Amino acid sequence: QSALTQPPSASGSPGQSVTISCTGTSSDVGGYNYVSWYQQHPGKAPKLMIYEVTKRPSGVPDRFSGSKSGDTASLTVSGLQAEDEADYYCSSYAGSNNLVFGGGTKLTVL
Amino acid sequence: EVHLVESGGGLVKPGGSLRLSCAASGFTFSNAWMHWVRQAPGKGLEWVARIKSETDGGITSYAGPVKGRFTISRDDSRNTLYLQMNSLRTEDTAVYYCTTYLVEACDYWGQGTLVTVSS
Repeated sequence: QSALTQPPSASGSPGQSVTISCTGTSSDVGGYNYVSWYQQHPGKAPKLMIYEVTKRPSGVPDRFSGSKSGDTASLTVSGLQAEDEADYYCSSYAGSNNLVFGGGTKLTVL
Repeated sequence: EVHLVESGGGLVKPGGSLRLSCAASGFTFSNAWMHWVRQAPGKGLEWVARIKSETDGGITSYAGPVKGRFTISRDDSRNTLYLQMNSLRTEDTAVYYCTTYLVEACDYWGQGTLVTVSS
């Protein structure tokens, strides 16, 4: 199972919006509505930000939103704040009881 | 509050074995599907293995690189998840996280335990 494709980096100024893409195939992202997104600060464990493409766990700001079109999912962070600077990973159910992660995107707040 | 604490990591020689544990609290462990996810130094996240609840058959599944070498298991009486790792390779060096799967995602994560495979 190949990793999902994410851009290695993304950036935006405080208050702006930034979108991170996650491209898979019809066997994972395109085939199931089980895409999730994780935020990871340096030296910390990942934190779930979005699940089932668009749902936010309790406590996650509504500045974070998810979407999907075909084989590509996206995470949008609106109203960028300094604390949003982190690595972001997408993940998808990939059939046969497997999960697959993306390679990660480093988000920089300028 | 959900709490996951991994242990058992350390330095092991190539070809060696190690067993990781993950002590769980704050939720009904016996009902939960659980996963192991790893992260090599400076690299991204990689899914390792999953085990369903016993009521769902306790079915296990593994990523290709670890299939046949790693075994995920659980002890619901001890609220503990395990990962038995055999025939370890240098490429298995990583921080290993246990995660819950209470929704259709890895929703809670432990702090991780570092496994270093080196001669």
